[in-house]
Amino acid sequence: AQKITQTQPGMFVQEKEAVTLDCTYDTSDPSYGLFWYKQPSSGEMIFLIYQGSYDQQNATEGRYSLNFQKARKSANLVISASQLGDSAMYFCAMRPDQTGANNLFFGTGTRLTVIP
Amino acid sequence: DAGVTQSPTHLIKTRGQQVTLRCSPISGHKSVSWYQQVLGQGPQFIFQYYEKEERGRGNFPDRFSARQFPNYSSELNVNALLLGDSALYLCASTPIAGRGETQYFGPGTRLLVL
Repeated sequence: AQKITQTQPGMFVQEKEAVTLDCTYDTSDPSYGLFWYKQPSSGEMIFLIYQGSYDQQNATEGRYSLNFQKARKSANLVISASQLGDSAMYFCAMRPDQTGANNLFFGTGTRLTVIP
Repeated sequence: DAGVTQSPTHLIKTRGQQVTLRCSPISGHKSVSWYQQVLGQGPQFIFQYYEKEERGRGNFPDRFSARQFPNYSSELNVNALLLGDSALYLCASTPIAGRGETQYFGPGTRLLVL
């Protein structure tokens, strides 16, 4: 069974500061992908960053980076230089590669609020 | 290029009714997945379709069904609606159904069952 845990229901960060959103996962699959999505109040899930389980380096996409610690089964999202527009729900998700379907398993999310 | 589109944006139904939600994938994408997001939770996988065939099904009752058309658009049908079916229904598309594909989501349909 797959499980994604996001232990921070809400986080606050000062504008221009960095923030880390935590994500741990549990899977018996040897190969998997890890994703972070942003969900503004409009509802659309916006893809931010992807990390493959066999990738040697941590993924980065602009101000987003993923702190991947495979042995600890954690995939924390780091947002640098926070902006007011970063205020939203953030979801960590995993896709096990063994299954035939391309389905994602999501955590319960973290609500990030950026303070001016 | 247009992203994933979904219709309608909002819908109100009563218990026992049936509902059909629609999704058009990104141009060139052939796989569509459906997710249900109940308030306060992350999305849960319902179905994946690729080339008009079901490629995966989540843990949902048979009241939920879907299909994909030759133009790769998709419909999600829910029969005998329950109050618990109230949720945001998200559609996502990928170019193919392969493991390495990132899913791109539409804005969702908000369903309220009274």
